[in-house]
Amino acid sequence: SAVISQKPSRDICQRGTSLTIQCQVDSQVTMMFWYRQQPGQSLTLIATANQGSEATYESGFVIDKFPISRPNLTFSTLTVSNMSPEDSSIYLCSVTRDSTDTQYFGPGTRLTVL
Amino acid sequence: AQTVTQSQPEMSVQEAETVTLSCTYDTSESDYYLFWYKQPPSRQMILVIRQEAYKQQNATENRFSVNFQKAAKSFSLKISDSQLGDAAMYFCAYNGGSQGNLIFGKGTKLSVKP
Repeated sequence: SAVISQKPSRDICQRGTSLTIQCQVDSQVTMMFWYRQQPGQSLTLIATANQGSEATYESGFVIDKFPISRPNLTFSTLTVSNMSPEDSSIYLCSVTRDSTDTQYFGPGTRLTVL
Repeated sequence: AQTVTQSQPEMSVQEAETVTLSCTYDTSESDYYLFWYKQPPSRQMILVIRQEAYKQQNATENRFSVNFQKAAKSFSLKISDSQLGDAAMYFCAYNGGSQGNLIFGKGTKLSVKP
């Protein structure tokens, strides 16, 4: 399994601002994903972060709201833009070697928007 | 579209006893992968067990085992000799293998009584 870190671990932000979350892996991985977990809910996939190309977004998530970068095989960022209280959630990144392999998760970023 | 259903929002077990968490799923795929993840209050998603659909043998990991019924599309998790540290949210997840992303059930909150 991979060792995955996320920064920040938590943050409290004001409405209308943006926050960038970083995900760092200790080894090269093929696939990286970003999930959202709203309070008391399950995990929902936001997008697949593709190295060297635009991320692939799930229905209901758009690039203008959740821009994603993946400059190399060990690092990705997710930005939550123009935040509102409805964006208060835990954001988790996950990694896997290929589409059939087990996914391993980072520790998550708890975001509160006031 | 694939779906994952966990019909037990909450479960409780006495320490040292056995508990079974239920999960059903819907898919038209023949090859896929199923997982149980544990999420304690620390919010870290921890892999408990993995099952490949093409394997008839049920997966086991120490005190954790699954009952995989492919025809019934059922994937239950049995925890034997329950420990206080097993208290957490348990999520059942499906991976169809082509896109690599996970589809999660809503989760079951497990409490362990001393």
